[in-house]
Amino acid sequence: GENVEQHPSTLSVQEGDSAVIKCTYSDSASNYFPWYKQELGKGPQLIIDIRSNVGEKKDQRIAVTLNKTAKHFSLHITETQPEDSAVYFCAARAPGFQKLVFGTGTRLLVSP
Amino acid sequence: DVKVTQSSRYLVKRTGEKVFLECVQDMDHENMFWYRQDPGLGLRLIYFSYDVKMKEKGDIPEGYSVSREKKERFSLILESASTNQTSMYLCASSFVRGLNTEAFFGQGTRLTVV
Repeated sequence: GENVEQHPSTLSVQEGDSAVIKCTYSDSASNYFPWYKQELGKGPQLIIDIRSNVGEKKDQRIAVTLNKTAKHFSLHITETQPEDSAVYFCAARAPGFQKLVFGTGTRLLVSP
Repeated sequence: DVKVTQSSRYLVKRTGEKVFLECVQDMDHENMFWYRQDPGLGLRLIYFSYDVKMKEKGDIPEGYSVSREKKERFSLILESASTNQTSMYLCASSFVRGLNTEAFFGQGTRLTVV
């Protein structure tokens, strides 16, 4: 089955810096790759997703890139702000399957 | 707004007790999921359901069962709670098909088994 690896497990940046979180997946058939943000005391919430027919997607300060050949995808956050501090999860889903397989999470800390 | 509501934020139960975690969604989603969240392990799927009375095992079903008698409600059952089931439990729901397949999560139930 699908396996998703996520790095780094923790990431500390200064406010205004960029942050990059990387994930690799094992099933070449996977075609949907969402990113979730989990703030303290809350459930994860979708922040951006990408499908396998697209190489890059942007939404204001966040972007996701996908390299299908290498089977990895990354989350990029520019001009980080303290409110970006949270745990971020990547996930992958293969066609015909309903379940998401999640990475192990990255704790991002943005210091003022 | 889509809402996934878990019945309890915090629970403390004794070893051997039968524990029920309840989840309700209001978006008429076909899919419902139970995940367990542990530090360093991410979100691991326990069980999911794609329709009323249907269930599928996830990656770590041992020690758990589920019930889905109504479309909006999905219950996770710990038949005989053990200390290694102390964890954060997250419920989620989503549509089965179409472009909008986002999974929506509840706020989580932190279960402590003593």
